Amino acid sequence: EVQVLESGGGLVQPGGSLRLSCAASGFSFNINAMSWVRQAPGKGLEWVSGISGSGDSTYYADFVKGRFTISRDNSRNTLYLQMNSLRAEDTAVYYCAKLRGLVTRNYYFDYWGQGTLVTVSS
Amino acid sequence: QSVLTQPPSVSGAPGQRVTISCTGSSSNIGAGNDVHWYQQLPGTVPKLLISGNNNRPSGVPDRFSGSKSGTSASLAITGLQAEDEADYYCQSFDSSLSGWVFGGGTKVTVL
Repeated sequence: EVQVLESGGGLVQPGGSLRLSCAASGFSFNINAMSWVRQAPGKGLEWVSGISGSGDSTYYADFVKGRFTISRDNSRNTLYLQMNSLRAEDTAVYYCAKLRGLVTRNYYFDYWGQGTLVTVSS
Repeated sequence: QSVLTQPPSVSGAPGQRVTISCTGSSSNIGAGNDVHWYQQLPGTVPKLLISGNNNRPSGVPDRFSGSKSGTSASLAITGLQAEDEADYYCQSFDSSLSGWVFGGGTKVTVL
């Protein structure tokens, strides 16, 4: 059974940092691209960042470029999101999601974690 | 403002057919990139509903169907049921942004 489990969320002050983790199991982690998607309270889904199975290719939404870094440890079947210079508007539930598809431009999110809440407030 | 545009809400009586549109541009849907759909029931995690424009994963009722034409796509729900009340999101890849994009979401209400 495919499972992805996020951790690391919490309350942080504006300008602060936080690192999210996503532990994956039930599939070949090292050959699957992974991603982070967020959802602000009462709002829609917003893609944040993605990474190839090998970790060689990374992708970022414009609003996080230069502030967030996605990475993975295939030996630990774990995905990470390092978030720096956090702003109030980054407050959201952050979902870890497994990507699937034949080519990058046709990838979709086939499994989602339960999410971890990040609150940026003083 | 989302790259993909969806109506904020649609509604229908039980048994009726409703459709949700998803309008993009030449850098995403119009570029030939697939469109996928997700259902998010109240208080739950998003769930894949349609992949690759019109493919239903195992367990998704055949009441749900997808289509794509030009720079737009649509999700149709036939035989609407009370359990279909949820938020629905379309998703594609934007070649200019080099990233995945979602529509703003559509709330389906069963009258």
